[in-house]
Amino acid sequence: KAGVTQTPRYLIKTRGQQVTLSCSPISGHRSVSWYQQTPGQGLQFLFEYFSETQRNKGNFPGRFSGRQFSNSRSEMNVSTLELGDSALYLCASSLEGAQGSPLHFGNGTRLTVT
Amino acid sequence: SQQGEEDPQALSIQEGENATMNCSYKTSINNLQWYRQNSGRGLVHLILIRSNEREKHSGRLRVTLDTSKKSSSLLITASRAADTASYFCATDMGYSTLTFGKGTMLLVSP
Repeated sequence: KAGVTQTPRYLIKTRGQQVTLSCSPISGHRSVSWYQQTPGQGLQFLFEYFSETQRNKGNFPGRFSGRQFSNSRSEMNVSTLELGDSALYLCASSLEGAQGSPLHFGNGTRLTVT
Repeated sequence: SQQGEEDPQALSIQEGENATMNCSYKTSINNLQWYRQNSGRGLVHLILIRSNEREKHSGRLRVTLDTSKKSSSLLITASRAADTASYFCATDMGYSTLTFGKGTMLLVSP
């Protein structure tokens, strides 16, 4: 089975721009979650989607949004980029997102905001 | 906010030695998970221990959990250079919502 695929691998954007990151989960996995990783704040949960519905959201401003499609693929969008948004964005999938289910992570998208 | 805190922040050992990492957390949990991250890549799930378990083994990994002290430890026996990575504990809040610690960077020298 193919793993979680994230595209693009690297992105460089300018302050004020917006960006869309893409994630394809493992086949059959219906839960997709997103995490932001920075040196200062570490790994932080952004949001989780299941069957095209957002079930949980972390403590991030409204500039961060996401969606999930009927094939479980997911995108996240960051509008009006700030320098502090520079981070590694990780997508993870699991069968149903049930408690106790291990997450399968992609290799991330490295976003640099200049 | 961080739920778990790993200790030490960094650990350097020789191949063949054992590596022990500790994790403390703040709230009640149903389970605790450990992940490994190689530099600049995604996380890989290592092991999960439930709140009613005290110890769990998987290959060269041994995890313990002490819910009374809100702490867990990960032991890697007979370390190899390929074990060089960052290790994170995470508490599971459901709906794929994990709260991670800051991690321990392990360096295993040949």
